[in-house]
Amino acid sequence: EPEVTQTPSHQVTQMGQEVILRCVPISNHLYFYWYRQILGQKVEFLVSFYNNEISEKSEIFDDQFSVERPDGSNFTLKIRSTKLEDSAMYFCASSESGTVSTTGELFFGEGSRLTVL
Amino acid sequence: DQQVKQNSPSLSVQEGRISILNCDYTNSMFDYFLWYKKYPAEGPTFLISISSIKDKNEDGRFTVFLNKSAKHLSLHIVPSQPGDSAVYFCAAKTDSWGKLQFGAGTQVVVTP
Repeated sequence: EPEVTQTPSHQVTQMGQEVILRCVPISNHLYFYWYRQILGQKVEFLVSFYNNEISEKSEIFDDQFSVERPDGSNFTLKIRSTKLEDSAMYFCASSESGTVSTTGELFFGEGSRLTVL
Repeated sequence: DQQVKQNSPSLSVQEGRISILNCDYTNSMFDYFLWYKKYPAEGPTFLISISSIKDKNEDGRFTVFLNKSAKHLSLHIVPSQPGDSAVYFCAAKTDSWGKLQFGAGTQVVVTP
């Protein structure tokens, strides 16, 4: 069964360092997303991406964050200068359609745990 | 921004009995509701969804009920099985692409 894969599974970094989280969405999917879950809190939407540009982003997704699809298969989330509060599980997701229709739910990866010290 | 609320953080149920998970929402613009299941160290996996124009959707052991006037939905799992032990998230969307609003989740434990 096709799945969304994410690397690394866990990254520890020092505050102020740049981090890149990588995702390989399901191959025929066209819409890509990043969500995050801070420990003990809700899963929160960060950004959606379609046709090589951001479709929507949340207030969390400030100038420190960026996304790109550099090579047609990977989808990356970059945090330029990490802060302690960026420590969270980051989930990549993809969907075939953009409307989350009757069966077009989001498929999530297993997550990348980011720990900022 | 508590647009989707799951007020029960945990639920314990005996194997074979019914599990009922509840979810309330505040945004009347939500047009689709979804339930996701999450095991530790895994991402959320889609379980079942319902359009805002329907009041019930059933898929095997899982049924979701929507009461729009009360802004309330529930997930029924019957019969509950040990493999159902997981965190269940209620989520909702407006017409924004893939922007789901999640509830805080309910930890379900199914005991033998």
